[in-house]
Amino acid sequence: GAVVSQHPSRVICKSGTSVKIECRSLDFQATTMFWYRQFPKQSLMLMATSNEGSKATYEQGVEKDKFLINHASLTLSTLTVTSAHPEDSSFYICSAPGGTSGAPAQYFGPGTRLTVL
Amino acid sequence: QKEVEQNSGPLSVPEGAIASLNCTYSDRGSQSFFWYRQYSGKSPELIMFIYSNGDKEDGRFTAQLNKASQYVSLLIRDSQPSDSATYLCAVYTGNQFYFGTGTSLTVIP
Repeated sequence: GAVVSQHPSRVICKSGTSVKIECRSLDFQATTMFWYRQFPKQSLMLMATSNEGSKATYEQGVEKDKFLINHASLTLSTLTVTSAHPEDSSFYICSAPGGTSGAPAQYFGPGTRLTVL
Repeated sequence: QKEVEQNSGPLSVPEGAIASLNCTYSDRGSQSFFWYRQYSGKSPELIMFIYSNGDKEDGRFTAQLNKASQYVSLLIRDSQPSDSATYLCAVYTGNQFYFGTGTSLTVIP
């Protein structure tokens, strides 16, 4: 149980294009999902909290107009990187809290590696 | 002060030895504690969780929690080269999750 999927696993795009990344909770519902970014040899950086039915909450320094988050259902959150540039190249990982109520664990998707040329 | 602190390492141990990974947290009301393993180029995977003071064992892994000292650790017995990874400590306060920056472990054959 508590499986989170991401699609695509890898994407290469040209500078200026937009890229959409999907995060799905496969066997549980998630009213909240989290989006992280990780640069090589660095730690996870929380970008935003995705909330089903309401606006996402962004961490300080993360441009909400550049990283659009939509939590369309209890099992799907999407992150769209708009007008991507080479500095947006990174490993994007989503997670969702699952497990027993009152003692949830974060379950991570396999990640999406974005390369912007 | 960060919510969760870990020694970044790197920590190197010989194959077969015990690897000891440590984590401290600042919120005394924290409820749940987790250890994740992250291989290079992969996302983190949950390997252990602990809620109560004391030890919890799962195979070669033992999580230890001391709420009075706000300290949680992970012991890996009979370390294998395949255990080489970054280990992340996470804490759930009842409202939010906080992750440490991770400790890099290398098991030397």
